[in-house]
Amino acid sequence: DAGITQSPRYKITETGRQVTLMCHQTWSHSYMFWYRQDLGHGLRLIYYSAAADITDKGEVPDGYVVSRSKTENFPLTLESATRSQTSVYFCASSYDTQYFGPGTRLTVL
Amino acid sequence: ELKVEQNPLFLSMQEGKNYTIYCNYSTTSDRLYWYRQDPGKSLESLFVLLSNGAVKQEGRLMASLDTKARLSTLHITAAVHDLSATYFCAVDAFTGNQFYFGTGTSLTVIP
Repeated sequence: DAGITQSPRYKITETGRQVTLMCHQTWSHSYMFWYRQDLGHGLRLIYYSAAADITDKGEVPDGYVVSRSKTENFPLTLESATRSQTSVYFCASSYDTQYFGPGTRLTVL
Repeated sequence: ELKVEQNPLFLSMQEGKNYTIYCNYSTTSDRLYWYRQDPGKSLESLFVLLSNGAVKQEGRLMASLDTKARLSTLHITAAVHDLSATYFCAVDAFTGNQFYFGTGTSLTVIP
């Protein structure tokens, strides 16, 4: 199906573990983004990418790593998960506006 | 840093009434976006406003942009229960296609 997908949709992990959230889009959009959404903070940009192999930090990048070897994929890795990273994570890609994936609900115990 | 403020943050209104949500932003931009988010769901694009004076309408929702005042409005006409959701505005900062989001307006339409 065309569009933007995220996996897993739900993830429970423990403090200190490494977690990778996947994002895949079928539109060949150049720009892709990772946000986290928390009550009281709205959406905050973690990282974004202008094209394959080009990434840049957003507002809250600490504790996260991204890569973009292919245009269609933009994985987000939490190298050593902390409880403060419990959140809903949204991936987006943009053309005329930003189109959002369904989200991943991550719980860090 | 670009700031985007929405008000009100919470809005409870009766069916059939009209109301306006406001989105103010702190820096020059002529690209403003509105999204809708239902509980537990993702964000859905509603409107893309790309110039001063732009006005877009879809059903009972109408969005406008005044870049000189750095203000966008989302007007709701004759609200119905199906419009209950959280509405976000976002401003394009002209930096890497980054959007800055408002904190959202949670709208509840009461029958």
